[in-house]
Amino acid sequence: AQKVTQAQTEISVVEKEDVTLDCVYETRDTTYYLFWYKQPPSGELVFLIRRNSFDEQNEISGRYSWNFQKSTSSFNFTITASQVVDSAVYFCALSAGTYKYIFGTGTRLKVLA
Amino acid sequence: EAGVAQSPRYKIIEKRQSVAFWCNPISGHATLYWYQQILGQGPKLLIQFQNNGVVDDSQLPKDRFSAERLKGVDSTLKIQPAKLEDSAVYLCASSLEAGSYEQYFGPGTRLTVT
Repeated sequence: AQKVTQAQTEISVVEKEDVTLDCVYETRDTTYYLFWYKQPPSGELVFLIRRNSFDEQNEISGRYSWNFQKSTSSFNFTITASQVVDSAVYFCALSAGTYKYIFGTGTRLKVLA
Repeated sequence: EAGVAQSPRYKIIEKRQSVAFWCNPISGHATLYWYQQILGQGPKLLIQFQNNGVVDDSQLPKDRFSAERLKGVDSTLKIQPAKLEDSAVYLCASSLEAGSYEQYFGPGTRLTVT
């Protein structure tokens, strides 16, 4: 069975603080893909990053960075120097096996000015 | 490049009425998804099309929901009859192919069933 767990329901930080959003996944497949999406208050989900199971290199894109660790089945997302515009719900997703997409329940991030 | 288009953006109906949503995916995208997102939850896949064939509809309540993708492009999702618990945002997404590719989402249709 495949599963994505985002244990943090809501996080509040003050602007310029760093924040890490956790994502833990479960799958028996050796080939799988992990994703992060952002859902701002406007409602439209926006793709942020994709990682395949054979690439454990961490990635940095501006203030965003992702840490993929197969040993702990985690794919965490860090925002450095958070800004108010980062306020949104962030979803982690898994695609494996017959390529069913499974989304986590999301983490609502509130960045306070 | 145009994004995923959905209409209508909002719909209010009474229970037992029927409703239909329309989606136009990004040109060239073979895979189309319909999701239901209830307030405070993650998107739940209802149905996935690969071109005009159904790949996965295991979570589609087939007694009341139906969907089709004509000619492998546009898609419609219908609910008949609607129940109160169908109140949600219905999201359409598309991707180049299934599996490893990221999905591009439309703005969604917010359905309220009274």
